[in-house]
Amino acid sequence: GAVVSQHPSWVICKSGTSVKIECRSLDFQATTMFWYRQFPKQSLMLMATSNEGSKATYEQGVEKDKFLINHASLTLSTLTVTSAHPEDSSFYICSARDFSGPDTDTQYFGPGTRLTVL
Amino acid sequence: GEDVEQSLFLSVREGDSSVINCTYTDSSSTYLYWYKQEPGAGLQLLTYIFSNMDMKQDQRLTVLLNKKDKHLSLRIADTQTGDSAIYFCAERGAGGSYIPTFGRGTSLIVHP
Repeated sequence: GAVVSQHPSWVICKSGTSVKIECRSLDFQATTMFWYRQFPKQSLMLMATSNEGSKATYEQGVEKDKFLINHASLTLSTLTVTSAHPEDSSFYICSARDFSGPDTDTQYFGPGTRLTVL
Repeated sequence: GEDVEQSLFLSVREGDSSVINCTYTDSSSTYLYWYKQEPGAGLQLLTYIFSNMDMKQDQRLTVLLNKKDKHLSLRIADTQTGDSAIYFCAERGAGGSYIPTFGRGTSLIVHP
């Protein structure tokens, strides 16, 4: 099946610093990628939809100036958490849409990035 | 808006069958998915079914769809301890938005 990677898998940073998380589709091209946030024992919260070559679409309540998304190529999207604070600590998961055929339209998820802000 | 509901927990004995249920409200759903999430990991796509199908089987997994009742189930035969994880149901409508709506996940606990 399709593979999506994320880097780093975990990161610890000081409050006020910025952290960049990369999401790559390894064996397919993804014009659309998604960024989710997951709190412990809770479901996924969609943060934004990342479209290659255009601005990301943010869900209501998500600060676009704090969570910068760049989808520079068909296989790479990045999420930068700017001026991170402890409340930004979470598990961030990306997914990539595989729409390569008439019977294929699904999302494949990366392994997630655990962010801890001290 | 769309809503996807799942029970939060299911506990089964090793070797038994597990049935995880899901209900949804969007009558225009075209794709319905089951994802598995192991601790500390991302979501792994287990299987998906088109809305024009009633059943799909893949090895130990059987997906049943009752479109009339908007009910989706995932049956895992011969459940093993390695099946312990959170299982997410998701549905995607036929409209312009191709973003699936996820349930809150069912935590499956398999005990010896």
